[in-house]
Amino acid sequence: QSALTQPASVSGSPGQSITISCTGTSSNVGSYNLVSWYQQHPRKAPKLMIYEGSKRPSGVSNRFSGSKSGNTASLTISGLQAEDEADYYCCSYAGSSTLVFGGGTKLTVL
Amino acid sequence: QLQLQESGPGLVKPSETLSLTCTVSGGSISSTSYYWGWIRQPPGKGLEWIGSIYYSGSTYYNPSLKSRVAISVDTSKNQISLRLSSVTAADTAVYYCARHRVATENFDYWGQGTLVTVSS
Repeated sequence: QSALTQPASVSGSPGQSITISCTGTSSNVGSYNLVSWYQQHPRKAPKLMIYEGSKRPSGVSNRFSGSKSGNTASLTISGLQAEDEADYYCCSYAGSSTLVFGGGTKLTVL
Repeated sequence: QLQLQESGPGLVKPSETLSLTCTVSGGSISSTSYYWGWIRQPPGKGLEWIGSIYYSGSTYYNPSLKSRVAISVDTSKNQISLRLSSVTAADTAVYYCARHRVATENFDYWGQGTLVTVSS
């Protein structure tokens, strides 16, 4: 079970939009609409930002959005703010009641 | 407000068994809508799903760790437990427990995590 592939880092200026990709295979991302995204600030527990590919939990800003095309899921953050600087992880259902995470992406707000 | 709290030894010797407990408060571990999972994060690295358990005791494990992992549940104490055998330095990580929503396969509540170091 290989980890999903994410870029190691992305950056953007305040107010801009960025997109983080999460590439899997037809056995995970491509077969299920069950991708979730997590934000993790240093020395903190991860926080759920997106589930089922594009749904936001209550309390999560609508600046965060998710989508999927084929074997690749994406997280877009619009109107970048300083507090968005964090690590972001995708996670997908992989069949047979298993889950797989991506390697993580460090977002820097310039 | 649901809270999860991990507890256990912070230092384990190589080849021994790592044991952690997660205590859930503010909600019942016997809910039919949720599994309860363990996720770990080696220092400076990414997240890795270890496994999840349903209140009935049904377990689901990461295939790469399955031979060394055992997760159990104690509904009377509202706790789940993790045992990882034959540990090496590669098992040094922050270990999180989290609520794993069945229908949507995501983790919506997390504990604060506990660092376990494998060293002699």
